[in-house]
Amino acid sequence: AQSVTQLDSHVSVSEGTPVLLRCNYSSSYSPSLFWYVQHPNKGLQLLLKYTSAATLVKGINGFEAEFKKSETSFHLTKPSAHMSDAAEYFCVVIPISGGYNKLIFGAGTRLAVHP
Amino acid sequence: DAGITQSPRHKVTETGTPVTLRCHQTENHRYMYWYRQDPGHGLRLIHYSYGVKDTDKGEVSDGYSVSRSKTEDFLLTLESATSSQTSVYFCAISGRVGGTNYEQYFGPGTRLTVT
Repeated sequence: AQSVTQLDSHVSVSEGTPVLLRCNYSSSYSPSLFWYVQHPNKGLQLLLKYTSAATLVKGINGFEAEFKKSETSFHLTKPSAHMSDAAEYFCVVIPISGGYNKLIFGAGTRLAVHP
Repeated sequence: DAGITQSPRHKVTETGTPVTLRCHQTENHRYMYWYRQDPGHGLRLIHYSYGVKDTDKGEVSDGYSVSRSKTEDFLLTLESATSSQTSVYFCAISGRVGGTNYEQYFGPGTRLTVT
């Protein structure tokens, strides 16, 4: 079965410092992977996606993620955090079995950004 | 999420009563989904629809039913609400014309409390 593990439930950074949110996946095949962001009391917004093209994926708001098959990781990074980045972030994989429409979500990482 | 609305946005109901949540889209996407979000679990798929009158179960479908009589509307019904169904419910869509089926776009959510 495919699964996603977000290694940190909470991450706290200062404004202007780099952001690293870690995600490991388990898959028998090369998966499709996503990062979504959820601001308080809002729905989820797609940040970026990996679908077996370039391994370094750029998303919105300066975020990017690198797919590393050897490490089964898909960590999300941003060079310089902004106050507006404070939110919850979800790493998501599409399982091969059960249909490509069914996303498997990690438990989420809450990012706090301090002045 | 401008093209996806959910109603009601907030509801408090009593154990044992029926509840229906509505998702409406103006994007003409083929697929529609219902998720629930609970702390520590990320989002979990309840049911999804791959066309009018075509639906399938997700990982947490017990106690829920769905219907889709029109492309734009997807209803989630709790036949007899229980306290364990207290959650935030999100609708999502995917499968726009000319696009892929991978990306899902989320509505603003419905906060349901069962007392």
